[in-house]
Amino acid sequence: DAKTTQPNSMESNEEEPVHLPCNHSTISGTDYIHWYRQLPSQGPEYVIHGLTSNVNNRMASLAIAEDRKSSTLILHRATLRDAAVYYCILRDYGGGGTSYGKLTFGQGTILTVHP
Amino acid sequence: NAGVTQTPKFRILKIGQSMTLQCAQDMNHNYMYWYRQDPGMGLKLIYYSVGAGITDKGEVPNGYNVSRSTTEDFPLRLELAAPSQTSVYFCASRTSDFGGELFFGEGSRLTVL
Repeated sequence: DAKTTQPNSMESNEEEPVHLPCNHSTISGTDYIHWYRQLPSQGPEYVIHGLTSNVNNRMASLAIAEDRKSSTLILHRATLRDAAVYYCILRDYGGGGTSYGKLTFGQGTILTVHP
Repeated sequence: NAGVTQTPKFRILKIGQSMTLQCAQDMNHNYMYWYRQDPGMGLKLIYYSVGAGITDKGEVPNGYNVSRSTTEDFPLRLELAAPSQTSVYFCASRTSDFGGELFFGEGSRLTVL
């Protein structure tokens, strides 16, 4: 099973960049790295995903290590609204059958942003 | 385009009652998921489906059943509700592409008393 490891919590100051790490040493060649976040009292929302190359969108950037065993979600200028739980996820396959479609979430990283 | 629609948004059940949480998506997604989230905890996968007629267990399937007779609908049935099933339930869907993004419903808050 492809698993991810993230720090339990991180803190940042408003307007500063935030680098959220994720380790996924058992990643397979076809696995995309997905990031989601969950704001307080809301459902999860998509942030960004990538396969090999670094990716940018309006919310964040994703830096993927050359060996793909780790990645970093970058929030360029944290705001108070970015305070959330951030999840890095991969497909949870390995059990055969339909496990290619299985997606599980770990505990994620709780990001606190200070004014 | 409604996306993923869950009903009901709130429900209170008595111990031993049964109910069905409805989930529908209008994006023609093959993959659908049910997660539960207990207070202060992460999301746990209950069941998932990779297409009509194909469902499989996730991490915490006990006490639940699902069916997928159409691409659009993926209902979650709770049999003999227990207080341990008090949680927020999220339905999600995505395409079958490896990079497909998960789209979530707004959640259904269930309390079992």
